[in-house]
Amino acid sequence: SYELPQPPSVSVSPGQTASITCSGDKLGNKYTCWYQQKPGQSPVLVIYHDTKRPSGIPERFSASISGNTATLTIRETQAMDEADYYCQAWDSSTVVFGGGTKLTVL
Amino acid sequence: EVQVVESGGGLVQPGGSLRLSCAASGFTVSTNYMSWVRQAPGKGLEWVSVVYDGDNTYYADFVKGRFTLSRDHSKDMLYLQMNSLRAEDTAVYYCARVGYTTLAGYYSTSYYYYMDVWGKGTTVTVSS
Repeated sequence: SYELPQPPSVSVSPGQTASITCSGDKLGNKYTCWYQQKPGQSPVLVIYHDTKRPSGIPERFSASISGNTATLTIRETQAMDEADYYCQAWDSSTVVFGGGTKLTVL
Repeated sequence: EVQVVESGGGLVQPGGSLRLSCAASGFTVSTNYMSWVRQAPGKGLEWVSVVYDGDNTYYADFVKGRFTLSRDHSKDMLYLQMNSLRAEDTAVYYCARVGYTTLAGYYSTSYYYYMDVWGKGTTVTVSS
């Protein structure tokens, strides 16, 4: 089955840039989405179609893809950005989520 | 406001059955692609099932043959019938709308899906 490994945790200082990666076989031939989930809340879409940001998502959130690795970047990280982040890829007609990365803003 | 609301969760014994429901407001379940995603306690998101055009449905391997996703077009409802439940099916089950963008190519159109509307989830506990 298709897998999307993510680092379990990433730490960042307030105001700094956080990067969260997601890797998968031939990921560059698929497309990725990113979701933010805060404790006790439902997931929120923050990136779709590899790099696009939905309305209402701050410009501090961006994403890129290079080869088989997708990267979510959060500039000027704030305390409110502390959450779990999940990448997602569509493998043909099915869906795969990464294992999630806990972002801690120290 | 665009939203979805799940219901039907509860406590069920191993081997039992449960039917989850998903109702939408601000859009129509019947004319949108929809998906179920679950999250076990303390764990990550796990995709369960999706329905596309013509009620074409797809399932994660771990639920094939046990879970059935369906839509009632007359009631505009989405359902997840869960049979032969196991302890490892214990999770919060989320209903999500699947949106998409398109990119027209020379020979075909590509679709880029995403889950843009999520409910608060309904909790399923499988335990004796």
